[in-house]
Amino acid sequence: GQQLNQSPQSMFIQEGEDVSMNCTSSSIFNTWLWYKQDPGEGPVLLIALYKAGELTSNGRLTAQFGITRKDSFLNISASIPSDVGIYFCAGHNTNAGKSTFGDGTTLTVKP
Amino acid sequence: NAGVMQNPRHLVRRRGQEARLRCSPMKGHSHVYWYRQLPEEGLKFMVYLQKENIIDESGMPKERFSAEFPKEGPSILRIQQVVRGDSAAYFCASSPLATTASSGNTIYFGEGSWLTVV
Repeated sequence: GQQLNQSPQSMFIQEGEDVSMNCTSSSIFNTWLWYKQDPGEGPVLLIALYKAGELTSNGRLTAQFGITRKDSFLNISASIPSDVGIYFCAGHNTNAGKSTFGDGTTLTVKP
Repeated sequence: NAGVMQNPRHLVRRRGQEARLRCSPMKGHSHVYWYRQLPEEGLKFMVYLQKENIIDESGMPKERFSAEFPKEGPSILRIQQVVRGDSAAYFCASSPLATTASSGNTIYFGEGSWLTVV
């Protein structure tokens, strides 16, 4: 089945620093999704990407859909303590139905 | 517009009992997905359903687990004869009808049901 490799697995940064994480796949997706999960909560959608090469921002978050359709990255600028959590990427194809998730990047922000 | 609603949020069962987890999708969404998350791990796909149809159950364990999404009412994930290894967070997600529109590929999660087997 399809698998996603998400890296890094964890990150420890200082408040104010920028963060970058990415996902790669051996398969093509026609949608890439990025979610954030806080402890004890469900994943919350941050950004959805629908076209190869698309670059989309949501506040301090920016994500890009790789031109090969096999990868995506998420950047967080000027991190703040509330950015702490687990970030998941997901790839989706309409005809497959389900989304495939990466294993997550755990972000810790030190004040 | 209410989001994906899951209940119960927390459920404790003794080994051998049955667990039933319910999910009401977002209004207007006709696709439901169930994912399992073990402690310190990512989200693993279990099953994908539309009304009265199981579309993909490739992630469901072959025994003790079943899912349904009836014509009326919520989707149910049922775990029979629970064991300690079933302890996990179970997330339901929903999406609109998948058409050529991009939004059909976007799924939204509920807040999860945490099952603890003692």
